[in-house]
Amino acid sequence: NAGVTQTPKFQVLKTGQSMTLQCAQDMNHNSMYWYRQDPGMGLRLIYYSASEGTTDKGEVPNGYNVSRLNKREFSLRLESAAPSQTSVYFCASGYSPLHFGNGTRLTVT
Amino acid sequence: AQSVTQPDIHITVSEGASLELRCNYSYGATPYLFWYVQSPGQGLQLLLKYFSGDTLVQGIKGFEAEFKRSQSSFNLRKPSVHWSDAAEYFCAVGVSNFGNEKLTFGTGTRLTIIP
Repeated sequence: NAGVTQTPKFQVLKTGQSMTLQCAQDMNHNSMYWYRQDPGMGLRLIYYSASEGTTDKGEVPNGYNVSRLNKREFSLRLESAAPSQTSVYFCASGYSPLHFGNGTRLTVT
Repeated sequence: AQSVTQPDIHITVSEGASLELRCNYSYGATPYLFWYVQSPGQGLQLLLKYFSGDTLVQGIKGFEAEFKRSQSSFNLRKPSVHWSDAAEYFCAVGVSNFGNEKLTFGTGTRLTIIP
């Protein structure tokens, strides 16, 4: 019973490098979300997808792109990483409740 | 825009003692309110939620929360904490539309349990 799976768990990037964070869910949920968690700031919504083929900006979308590849998968891409994007990234799916993955800890140096 | 304030960054409680974690929200309409818990290195797990109806909401692990519209509060309570309750707790207010749910989270309260 996997739930929401995120890969990788850890990543270190240099400024300017690109990478894609992967997220997959096996609960047949329509809605999927990307959050970032920073100390003292809680979780902030980056992007969400209400259904396959649709994506919308959240509170902090700048510097990110997303792709809803199919119903199961929702990826987050950093085209040119910046130190301000050092954070823990959480993918979630569903609707009351949201189901969260275990996070990707990203460090940008 | 909605917002959530958790005024306590860190709380320490003795095992077996009662617990109350504070949450205040700002939202123009009737809010959807949630409490989530995060154990170290894990994602968030829903403890309980309030949509409407009875203002005292029961959740998992013996937690409850009370919605008080007049005080814009949704405080989380537990009568007797266990060492396994040590975690970070997040209050959230949500907008639910057509099957998706955008949550605004508070900054969290870290709970430490001492023997």
